[in-house]
Amino acid sequence: GENVEQHPSTLSVQEGDSAVIKCTYSDSASNYFPWYKQELGKGPQLIIDIRSNVGEKKDQRIAVTLNKTAKHFSLHITETQPEDSAVYFCAASIEGGSQGNLIFGKGTKLSVKP
Amino acid sequence: NAGVMQNPRHLVRRRGQEARLRCSPMKGHSHVYWYRQLPEEGLKFMVYLQKENIIDESGMPKERFSAEFPKEGPSILRIQQVVRGDSAAYFCASSLGAGIDEQFFGPGTRLTVL
Repeated sequence: GENVEQHPSTLSVQEGDSAVIKCTYSDSASNYFPWYKQELGKGPQLIIDIRSNVGEKKDQRIAVTLNKTAKHFSLHITETQPEDSAVYFCAASIEGGSQGNLIFGKGTKLSVKP
Repeated sequence: NAGVMQNPRHLVRRRGQEARLRCSPMKGHSHVYWYRQLPEEGLKFMVYLQKENIIDESGMPKERFSAEFPKEGPSILRIQQVVRGDSAAYFCASSLGAGIDEQFFGPGTRLTVL
């Protein structure tokens, strides 16, 4: 089955710096890769996703890149702000068919210091 | 438009009791997913349901756990004869379409087994 590895487990940056979180996946059939932000005591919130037919997607300060050959994808946050502090999870899945479940990485705790 | 609702938010049970967790999907969503999150861990898929049907229960423990999503009312995750190892946060997500569509998560139910 699919396995998703996420690094680093913790990341501390100064406000205004960039943050990069990387994930690798094992199942080449996976074609949907969302990123979730989870604040303390809350459920995960989808912040951006990418499908395997594109290599990059950007939404304001957040971007995601996908390398299908190497089976890895990354989250890039530019101009970080203290409110970006949270745990970020990557996930992978196979879109379509009867499989609906997301396979999550173990998370990255991002701390943005003012 | 209300998001995914889960109740209760916190649930305390003694070993051997039953726990019932409820999830109301977003309006118009007919696909529900349950995930479990242990402390400092990512989310682990448990079960995927559509109205009155279990589509994928490959992540569900074989004993003591069951799930349903009736024609009317919320989805229920039921844990019988709880043990301390069941203590975790249980998240429900819903999506609009079949396979993978964007999954929207609820705030979770934090189960503590004494």
